[in-house]
Amino acid sequence: AQSVSQHNHHVILSEAASLELGCNYSYGGTVNLFWYVQYPGQHLQLLLKYFSGDPLVKGIKGFEAEFIKSKFSFNLRKPSVQWSDTAEYFCAVNVPNDYKLSFGAGTTVTVRA
Amino acid sequence: DVKVTQSSRYLVKRTGEKVFLECVQDMDHENMFWYRQDPGLGLRLIYFSYDVKMKEKGDIPEGYSVSREKKERFSLILESASTNQTSMYLCATRAPMTDGNTIYFGEGSWLTVV
Repeated sequence: AQSVSQHNHHVILSEAASLELGCNYSYGGTVNLFWYVQYPGQHLQLLLKYFSGDPLVKGIKGFEAEFIKSKFSFNLRKPSVQWSDTAEYFCAVNVPNDYKLSFGAGTTVTVRA
Repeated sequence: DVKVTQSSRYLVKRTGEKVFLECVQDMDHENMFWYRQDPGLGLRLIYFSYDVKMKEKGDIPEGYSVSREKKERFSLILESASTNQTSMYLCATRAPMTDGNTIYFGEGSWLTVV
């Protein structure tokens, strides 16, 4: 079974700072990769996903993520955060043809105005 | 837009009570899921269903059961609620491969067991 590690539990930034959230997974084969975001009081929303092709994936709200197969990583980045990016971010992994989506523990991001 | 509706947003139940959490989706998706979300643990899969009347245990099925009598409805049942089942419960559906396999979540049900 695959497992997902998110290295940071809580990140605190100022507005306009750059953000990078780490995500590593433990499955050696082909995977589908996702980042979800949960804003305060709201449901989980898909930020971006990677299935195949260009390993640099662009998502909504200026986020991007890079899949590095050799490092089993799928780190999320945003060059300049805003106060509205305050949320909890979850990395998730799915093996094709498997029903299960495995989530990391989540990273809480607090952006200070 | 996919809509996943969880009928109860906030519930308070007593230890030993039977609890039903209902989830309805409007997109005719075959796959439906129940997760619980706890601080520092992320989302953990309780049960999933890949078709009507079909179900599979997830990572933490103990103390839970599920029912999928109709394609659009997936219920999570706590036969005898305990305080360690106080959590946020999330229902989800998965789009087919042709639609990118994306998982869509409901707004969650906060359950407190006292």
